Amino acid sequence: KNQVEQSPQSLIILEGKNCTLQCNYTVSPFSNLRWYKQDTGRGPVSLTIMTFSENTKSNGRYTATLDADTKQSSLHITASQLSDSASYICVVSAEQAGTALIFGKGTTLSVSS
Amino acid sequence: NAGVTQTPKFQVLKTGQSMTLQCAQDMNHNSMYWYRQDPGMGLRLIYYSASEGTTDKGEVPNGYNVSRLNKREFSLRLESAAPSQTSVYFCASSPLGGYYQPQHFGDGTRLSIL
Repeated sequence: KNQVEQSPQSLIILEGKNCTLQCNYTVSPFSNLRWYKQDTGRGPVSLTIMTFSENTKSNGRYTATLDADTKQSSLHITASQLSDSASYICVVSAEQAGTALIFGKGTTLSVSS
Repeated sequence: NAGVTQTPKFQVLKTGQSMTLQCAQDMNHNSMYWYRQDPGMGLRLIYYSASEGTTDKGEVPNGYNVSRLNKREFSLRLESAAPSQTSVYFCASSPLGGYYQPQHFGDGTRLSIL
């Protein structure tokens, strides 16, 4: 069964600190992996998309890594800001699924001052 | 630049009532999607439209119908609402089939069914 598991479920960090969120997937055959940020009461916003041949992709203070061999991805946030408080969702696309995406449940990040 | 606009933002229905959720995008995207998001679960695809004139079922289509009115608009209809359909509904669009393109989401419709 195609699944996407994220950890931790929630995380609290101090402003200015770094953090790393994890995503493990069992989707096969793999097509691409996406990270979305979802602010409370808003829709998800795309941060990065990576295909199997890409190991790292950055978007400002957000850096995503992908290890297609171990089927793991991480999202690293550098020098966190209060505005980073949100849910971060890992999404995997399977080649056979076409337009269907498999969504993780998300990691809720709270950045405090 | 509005992106994906959903109406209404909030709605309360009684069991058995019907209603239509509206979605419009101004990015000239070909593909549009309807998802539901429930507490403790990932987003789940209800229906999608790969291009104008086509619609297909997603993971959880039971109890819903859709209409791709034109390239801009994609509506979701609940014919006889049930409490299990209480959820946050998101509409999304993408330039092609979403294969390698990010999906752009609206801000959701929060639907409660009593």
